[in-house]
Amino acid sequence: DTGVSQDPRHKITKRGQNVTFRCDPISEHNRLYWYRQTLGQGPEFLTYFQNEAQLEKSRLLSDRFSAERPKGSFSTLEIQRTEQGDSAMYLCASSLTRGGQGDGYTFGSGTRLTVV
Amino acid sequence: GESVGLHLPTLSVQEGDNSIINCAYSNSASDYFIWYKQESGKGPQFIIDIRSNMDKRQGQRVTVLLNKTVKHLSLQIAATQPGDSAVYFCAETRKWYGNKLVFGAGTILRVKS
Repeated sequence: DTGVSQDPRHKITKRGQNVTFRCDPISEHNRLYWYRQTLGQGPEFLTYFQNEAQLEKSRLLSDRFSAERPKGSFSTLEIQRTEQGDSAMYLCASSLTRGGQGDGYTFGSGTRLTVV
Repeated sequence: GESVGLHLPTLSVQEGDNSIINCAYSNSASDYFIWYKQESGKGPQFIIDIRSNMDKRQGQRVTVLLNKTVKHLSLQIAATQPGDSAVYFCAETRKWYGNKLVFGAGTILRVKS
């Protein structure tokens, strides 16, 4: 499978705990994005990387959220001191920056976070 | 898995009929638009895209129409099949490749056999 992989698929955590999610993009894609999706809504942009550089962060990304892409390959998204409002599906996507196939912007299956 | 779109508008069609899903986008500066299909418990799956210098683009069983005057997109699915049942989102972005997407509200498509 050469698509975008996310791990874990599901995570249940107690309020106040820290959680970390991992995303492995398509290998030749240099851009990596994180989105959050709550029930009944479309995905909302959180942040993106070009190679290892984090180029933009949404105001949705509070200080409790941090994302890294240390070697320009996989990325991690950490949420510290989780709150019930953090419960959502966290989606990762990757793409190329140069023009190319229209279907190059590819999403993973997401990590479903439930904070209890 | 749980349904993604509990409070989204729903379009119910009979198997074999054509479906038309509409979307209003927000930013007149957007120049690239994508339709995604999302099944329960899965991430969005690319269907078709269109750039702002086009009015229409066709794929396999799908057609996207873009009306920049009224900032409106539509997705037409020909001969709708049960496997087309899902939530459909339109997304817009500036710079036609590699930028963050802004998603619309989504529409549930239910195909009756």
